[in-house]
Amino acid sequence: ETGVTQTPRHLVMGMTNKKSLKCEQHLGHNAMYWYKQSAKKPLELMFVYSLEERVENNSVPSRFSPECPNSSHLFLHLHTLQPEDSALYLCASSQESQALYGYTFGSGTRLTVV
Amino acid sequence: QKEVEQDPGPLSVPEGAIVSLNCTYSNSAFQYFMWYRQYSRKGPELLMYTYSSGNKEDGRFTAQVDKSSKYISLFIRDSQPSDSATYLCAMKTTGGFKTIFGAGTRLFVKA
Repeated sequence: ETGVTQTPRHLVMGMTNKKSLKCEQHLGHNAMYWYKQSAKKPLELMFVYSLEERVENNSVPSRFSPECPNSSHLFLHLHTLQPEDSALYLCASSQESQALYGYTFGSGTRLTVV
Repeated sequence: QKEVEQDPGPLSVPEGAIVSLNCTYSNSAFQYFMWYRQYSRKGPELLMYTYSSGNKEDGRFTAQVDKSSKYISLFIRDSQPSDSATYLCAMKTTGGFKTIFGAGTRLFVKA
């Protein structure tokens, strides 16, 4: 496997469920990110991890909980979500945390909250 | 005012046309400028990266940055149906973790 891999590709969950999104990067990068992409809106940065340490939490509601057990893996734990949380959730990695040279993105998880 | 403005389109062109995609921005501190291409059901893919002002060419793609006008462009020469995608501009300052994205322009290249 190469690049950034996200699972699952699609997820439908009820507002009382708990689920997790998984991301794995095979690039040897030092930083990983979660982004939210809603229709016709710019990408919104959610969380930044650099060398497994969270360095940015962009005012994200506590119903989203990230976890970075090592530099290759990133999770996003979801609980008691709202319908407005339905979106494409993208994981990305970069060589360094400021991402001055851009990101490598995964294909995303399409989340629908019902 | 949004930090980055990008016309959502859609932009429809015939195969072989020259395509011009543009973004304007308000923050004069932006120094790093990027263009991403996003196909349907895929994540964005980095196409071009430019630091500060000037032009950069890569095959059929040319990125231009005009910092005096706060305006960036991506030109696609000899456009192909495979170029049909959403194109996102992105930019950031030196320091900090945040990259600011445009909302994307949807491009259709008709055979």
